[in-house]
Amino acid sequence: AAGVIQSPRHLIKEKRETATLKCYPIPRHDTVYWYQQGPGQDPQFLISFYEKMQSDKGSIPDRFSAQQFSDYHSELNMSSLELGDSALYFCASSPTGRPTDTQYFGPGTRLTVL
Amino acid sequence: AQSVAQPEDQVNVAEGNPLTVKCTYSVSGNPYLFWYVQYPNRGLQFLLKYITGDNLVKGSYGFEAEFNKSQTSFHLKKPSALVSDSALYFCAVRDFGNRDDKIIFGKGTRLHILP
Repeated sequence: AAGVIQSPRHLIKEKRETATLKCYPIPRHDTVYWYQQGPGQDPQFLISFYEKMQSDKGSIPDRFSAQQFSDYHSELNMSSLELGDSALYFCASSPTGRPTDTQYFGPGTRLTVL
Repeated sequence: AQSVAQPEDQVNVAEGNPLTVKCTYSVSGNPYLFWYVQYPNRGLQFLLKYITGDNLVKGSYGFEAEFNKSQTSFHLKKPSALVSDSALYFCAVRDFGNRDDKIIFGKGTRLHILP
């Protein structure tokens, strides 16, 4: 079965640079979620989109922005990168925005900021 | 505010023995509860969830979990552990009452199955 696809899988950036992470949800899933997992930490919710509209917002820094496109893929844009942004970034998708839906996670993008 | 507690950072079990990974939760409304497993350098894999109905939920790879409303617990269990079950396990909750999209994760429990 098709899974959530994230690219790139690994990314190395310098401080103050920008990064763009991409997420392709499972086909026919219209809801996308972004999470950040720091080293040895649990995943923390950043932001979510349902039918291309932002539906919920968590602890996402103002330096980050995200959007969902007409084909339902999503991009997380990160600017003025800081050392503390080094983490594993997960995208998840679900069939609808219902709270009973299972969120299926992608393999993650490991971002390292030097 | 919703929260999840996994009281054990690590659990060691001998192969073939039953295993339990503990989870308790706190929500204002009705809880939707999930278990995910994370293998090294891999994403989170969904194991099972409780939404409503039977308190005993069966999931992938022989795992099951029991919802206990009075104890606000959702412990993960397996009758006979395999070495390949060694991984990091996350309990998570979504609070229907808050109408939030986000899943709140526990800190994770590292499960070691000893050959």
